[in-house]
Amino acid sequence: TQLLEQSPQFLSIQEGENLTVYCNSSSVFSSLQWYRQEPGEGPVLLVTVVTGGEVKKLKRLTFQFGDARKDSSLHITAAQPGDTGLYLCAGYSSGSARQLTFGSGTQLTVLP
Amino acid sequence: DTGVSQDPRHKITKRGQNVTFRCDPISEHNRLYWYRQTLGQGPEFLTYFQNEAQLEKSRLLSDRFSAERPKGSFSTLEIQRTEQGDSAMYLCASSLEGRVGYTFGSGTRLTVV
Repeated sequence: TQLLEQSPQFLSIQEGENLTVYCNSSSVFSSLQWYRQEPGEGPVLLVTVVTGGEVKKLKRLTFQFGDARKDSSLHITAAQPGDTGLYLCAGYSSGSARQLTFGSGTQLTVLP
Repeated sequence: DTGVSQDPRHKITKRGQNVTFRCDPISEHNRLYWYRQTLGQGPEFLTYFQNEAQLEKSRLLSDRFSAERPKGSFSTLEIQRTEQGDSAMYLCASSLEGRVGYTFGSGTRLTVV
């Protein structure tokens, strides 16, 4: 079973601060996806990274895929209360190009 | 594109009762997935359909769980003889073959009392 470990599990910061959350595995993934989930809602896809070393930016969010395609990070600059949510990374399991394996998530709270 | 719809949003049932949830995917998406999510955890894969064919099932899907997608459009997930451990958010997602990434519905929150 390919596991995705996310850290930290919980993060509470003040508005305007920067933060980084991590997604690590001992397995290689063909791609990794990042989702954000708000309470009572389903996850919403933020980005997909495919190439080792790839960096993608989405406004104040920067996503990086590790060179070996075993890990990824999400960096948020100048966090805002609207960034509050559960951030999940996900990758396709070996032997299945269709079954996404999710990490347990990082619960981010940005205080005004 | 009206997104993925799930019904009901919330369900409270007594232990031992049967429940059925419905998912309407994005109309042009041929792939449909069911996931289960408990508090503080990421979603766990349950099953996957391509059109009307159920192609993958997780070991999490016990004999009390059954899913169908009879015409390759909407899907139902039935849980028979519910147990308290079945309490969770049940998420449906859809995708288009060849495209990466899922579109999730808002989920059905099941509480077994």
